[in-house]
Amino acid sequence: DVKVTQSSRYLVKRTGEKVFLECVQDMDHENMFWYRQDPGLGLRLIYFSYDVKMKEKGDIPEGYSVSREKKERFSLILESASTNQTSMYLCASSPLTGARRTYEQYFGPGTRLTVT
Amino acid sequence: AQKVTQAQTEISVVEKEDVTLDCVYETRDTTYYLFWYKQPPSGELVFLIRRNSFDEQNEISGRYSWNFQKSTSSFNFTITASQVVDSAVYFCALSAGTDKLIFGTGTRLQVFP
Repeated sequence: DVKVTQSSRYLVKRTGEKVFLECVQDMDHENMFWYRQDPGLGLRLIYFSYDVKMKEKGDIPEGYSVSREKKERFSLILESASTNQTSMYLCASSPLTGARRTYEQYFGPGTRLTVT
Repeated sequence: AQKVTQAQTEISVVEKEDVTLDCVYETRDTTYYLFWYKQPPSGELVFLIRRNSFDEQNEISGRYSWNFQKSTSSFNFTITASQVVDSAVYFCALSAGTDKLIFGTGTRLQVFP
């Protein structure tokens, strides 16, 4: 079974703090993704990475950065946390797209971040 | 533009009722994939099904069934004889020409005993 783990289920941080959210997958997937989930807005892609040290902005990258130094690990960084970054953060992974198919993504349990 | 619309924000049913969750998508690509995910109260999204644009056959898996109709750009999900354990938020998603998924806003299903 694919396993995607996230470092914390719940996190409380103060405004202005630097926040690291860690994600690890154990299936040797090339792709990794960070989403945030807010009520009424569904899941919105923040960043994704298709290889080590490679990254691409998603729909809402402002205020976030990412790091992928190893294939199995993808970190989301909030350089200076703000209250509007209070949200559920979900990490996912998938194999690279093959010929004529797109693979499903496998999700971690999520981190509920509160910024006060 | 690519878009997924789940017009039903919340649905409540009583156990053993059948329920259909609607999903309408938009894309100009001829090759695309559609997905359904379930998010139970624990928070982790669980993959349910993937369907590609070349396969319009309906699919049944136990009490779950999916109706894919390209003519109406819909990929609806039906739960037959619903159970309390089906209570969750369900997301429909689209992927076209990319590894990224575009999600709908989700439908919260509550099944009461």
